[in-house]
Amino acid sequence: ETGVTQSPTHLIKTRGQQVTLRCSSQSGHNTVSWYQQALGQGPQFIFQYYREEENGRGNFPPRFSGLQFPNYSSELNVNALELDDSALYLCASSLNSGRGELFFGEGSRLTVL
Amino acid sequence: GQSLEQPSEVTAVEGAIVQINCTYQTSGFYGLSWYQQHDGGAPTFLSYNALDGLEETGRFSSFLSRSDSYGYLLLQELQMKDSASYFCAVTGNNAGNMLTFGGGTRLMVKP
Repeated sequence: ETGVTQSPTHLIKTRGQQVTLRCSSQSGHNTVSWYQQALGQGPQFIFQYYREEENGRGNFPPRFSGLQFPNYSSELNVNALELDDSALYLCASSLNSGRGELFFGEGSRLTVL
Repeated sequence: GQSLEQPSEVTAVEGAIVQINCTYQTSGFYGLSWYQQHDGGAPTFLSYNALDGLEETGRFSSFLSRSDSYGYLLLQELQMKDSASYFCAVTGNNAGNMLTFGGGTRLMVKP
């Protein structure tokens, strides 16, 4: 186990609704990233937070937003949900060392109807 | 932009050796990582190569050729528990851990 915990594990929403996903980082890690993984595909980078500031963003619209708190836990918020947002959302914590090593949580499975 | 290509599926028998290739096109490159993901589970880190050559960790080895934009993951003495998806991922044009993942290779190990 990585020590990264995510909640909720599963949730169902309808189109147009908003969702907040939560993540607790592994102790000692100051960087948190969020990835979206559609079924049968690789994880896609959404954004990364370092010391409470967003320091990188992938090709996702502004309705995907996030926060990192002083204890390095994090939230991912998605507004105006669309059917294509149905996916596994993975949180990963790491040190900001650039050695390609991420510690992933088990993910939050979002279904949008 | 960045793109990574890896085979979608590989099948091998228990005890065999299998190699999963990954080619990448990136605007910048810091290193290549490999991750394993079992069905319903989280991706777990296997290895990282920043320099050319082979890195060995137990039954798993990873190779990188920066000049060829190519790497591979080598799994030896395959076990049934190695059945999983394997992803290569590039750390691109910055030193933070912002990874671009390939589409994954599903490895099936048969008795």
